[in-house]
Amino acid sequence: GAGVSQSPRYKVAKRGQDVALRCDPISGHVSLFWYQQALGQGPEFLTYFQNEAQLDKSGLPSDRFFAERPEGSVSTLKIQRTQQEDSAVYLCASSLRDFLGYEQYFGPGTRLTVT
Amino acid sequence: SQQGEEDPQALSIQEGENATMNCSYKTSINNLQWYRQNSGRGLVHLILIRSNEREKHSGRLRVTLDTSKKSSSLLITASRAADTASYFCATESNTGKLIFGQGTTLQVKP
Repeated sequence: GAGVSQSPRYKVAKRGQDVALRCDPISGHVSLFWYQQALGQGPEFLTYFQNEAQLDKSGLPSDRFFAERPEGSVSTLKIQRTQQEDSAVYLCASSLRDFLGYEQYFGPGTRLTVT
Repeated sequence: SQQGEEDPQALSIQEGENATMNCSYKTSINNLQWYRQNSGRGLVHLILIRSNEREKHSGRLRVTLDTSKKSSSLLITASRAADTASYFCATESNTGKLIFGQGTTLQVKP
């Protein structure tokens, strides 16, 4: 079946531009997560949705980062006024249930380069 | 910030040999998971071990967990060239988010 998809796969933005990254989770998955992965590092948590509710946004690095999942399915991560330090791979993951102990299925990521 | 450290950072072995990677973490956990990431691809879940389990097997994978030492190990037996990848341990917090280590890069030479 279809896995988690993300678009675009690659994005080059000039510093100061706004970007929007899209995540299509596996159909029926309740939980959706966003992670940021810098080169050579493990992914770092950004935010978590349970259906349309954003339950945890403690990992968002600044108020330039905003995420939404208005209908409990597709999610968008928006970065305003991009900075060079925002360059990273942004990973989206979904999970079937809203409680612990279920594996997360990751998308291929969006590689963002800010020039 | 990352949860803990993985050791070694890089590992190079011959096909057929076993590979062992270690992971340490800092806080109490609900479970610990191991993921693999191939170059240019997303993360793939390998195995999950709950905090009340000490050892778990899945195919050629064996995971141990020592909650008193806050550490885990992943053993891959009879390695293959296709096992070449980065391996990450991740602990699951009470809110469900995963906290990843920095990863071990494994190279299996044919």
